[in-house]
Amino acid sequence: DIQMTQSPSSLSASVGDRVTITCQASQDISNYLNWYQQKPGKAPKLLIYDASNLETGVPSRFSGSGSGTDFTFTISSLQPEDIATYYCQQYDNLARRFGQGTKVEIK
Amino acid sequence: EVQLVESGGGLIQPGGSLRLSCAASGFTVSSNYMSWVRQAPGKGLEWVSVIYSGGSTYYADSVKGRFTISRDNSKNTLYLQMNSLRAEDTAVYYCAREGRVGATSHWGQGTLVTVSS
Repeated sequence: DIQMTQSPSSLSASVGDRVTITCQASQDISNYLNWYQQKPGKAPKLLIYDASNLETGVPSRFSGSGSGTDFTFTISSLQPEDIATYYCQQYDNLARRFGQGTKVEIK
Repeated sequence: EVQLVESGGGLIQPGGSLRLSCAASGFTVSSNYMSWVRQAPGKGLEWVSVIYSGGSTYYADSVKGRFTISRDNSKNTLYLQMNSLRAEDTAVYYCAREGRVGATSHWGQGTLVTVSS
């Protein structure tokens, strides 16, 4: 089975900082990787699909990159409303798998 | 407008069964890939199951053989039949629509399942 390793598990940054989260797959998953944002008590929200495509309506400060086994999610300038937990998610014909999540806080 | 409304959660004893429902509006369930995703209290997201538009179904290893995903096209509703429930199945269960293959674009509000004696 494919394993997804997301890091860090939490981070604290200042408003305006660049924030980077990584997700590593245990085997080549091409670009079958999505990123979600989840705020407390809410359902997740899709931000990035297929590794680097910005979902409609999502601010351009969010971006994703990578292919194969190594992926990166970036917030170019952290805003107070970006406080949330972020998850990567791999998919293939048989399953979907989430990373462990990264909790982003304001310093 | 796409809407997903889950129901059927509650308190159930270990070993018991429960069926979750997800009533959809604004789109046709049978034409989409539909999933169930769960989240244990204070924990991360865990994918549970998916049903493809063609009817194929797949499950996480943790629920395989115990849970069954299905849909009723006449009611435009998705279901999750959960049998042999365990304490570790306690979670909020989300119904989800994949607007793009593999990527969930719409989520329900979630329904809480608590497995406890």
